[in-house]
Amino acid sequence: DAGVIQSPRHEVTEMGQEVTLRCKPISGHDYLFWYRQTMMRGLELLIYFNNNVPIDDSGMPEDRFSAKMPNASFSTLKIQPSEPRDSAVYFCASSHRSAGELFFGEGSRLTVL
Amino acid sequence: QKEVEQNSGPLSVPEGAIASLNCTYSDRVSQSFFWYRQYSGKSPELIMSIYSNGDKEDGRFTAQLNKASQYVSLLIRDSQPSDSATYLCAVKGDFGNEKLTFGTGTRLTIIP
Repeated sequence: DAGVIQSPRHEVTEMGQEVTLRCKPISGHDYLFWYRQTMMRGLELLIYFNNNVPIDDSGMPEDRFSAKMPNASFSTLKIQPSEPRDSAVYFCASSHRSAGELFFGEGSRLTVL
Repeated sequence: QKEVEQNSGPLSVPEGAIASLNCTYSDRVSQSFFWYRQYSGKSPELIMSIYSNGDKEDGRFTAQLNKASQYVSLLIRDSQPSDSATYLCAVKGDFGNEKLTFGTGTRLTIIP
């Protein structure tokens, strides 16, 4: 079975540009999570969805960040405008019922110059 | 105070010895506890989960939970070089709260 699929794997952009990260969860999983990982702050939960509905977005840093899940097989995380401090690895993860057992994608490494 | 705290390491352990990783958490209503392993440049993967006080063993891994002390640990017996990775402790809140909070991880190096 395919795991969680994220794209792009690497993104280098300039400050002020829009960035869109994409995620396809494992089929049948009803929870989807977006995390950000940096050396300084570790893994931080940005937002999670249950059955395509956003449940907790308290970790979204500010209005420049937005996330959508239009259907059970696709989610996006958008940053507009991007800033250098947004540079990090962004992970998407999905799970079925028990949210503690997460399956992570390979991550999207974002560099904002 | 951080919600989930781990010693960042690095922790160096000789091959064949027992590696002991520790984690404390601040929210007393936490119900579920997890250990994830993350190799350099890779994504985290779940290796152990524990929900009740005591020990849980799975192969060379043993997770220990003490809710009264708000303490979780992971023991790795007969450590192998392939165990060298960062180990992340994760805590899930009360029932109905699906948020999983991670510690910053402990970097473990097994010395051949």
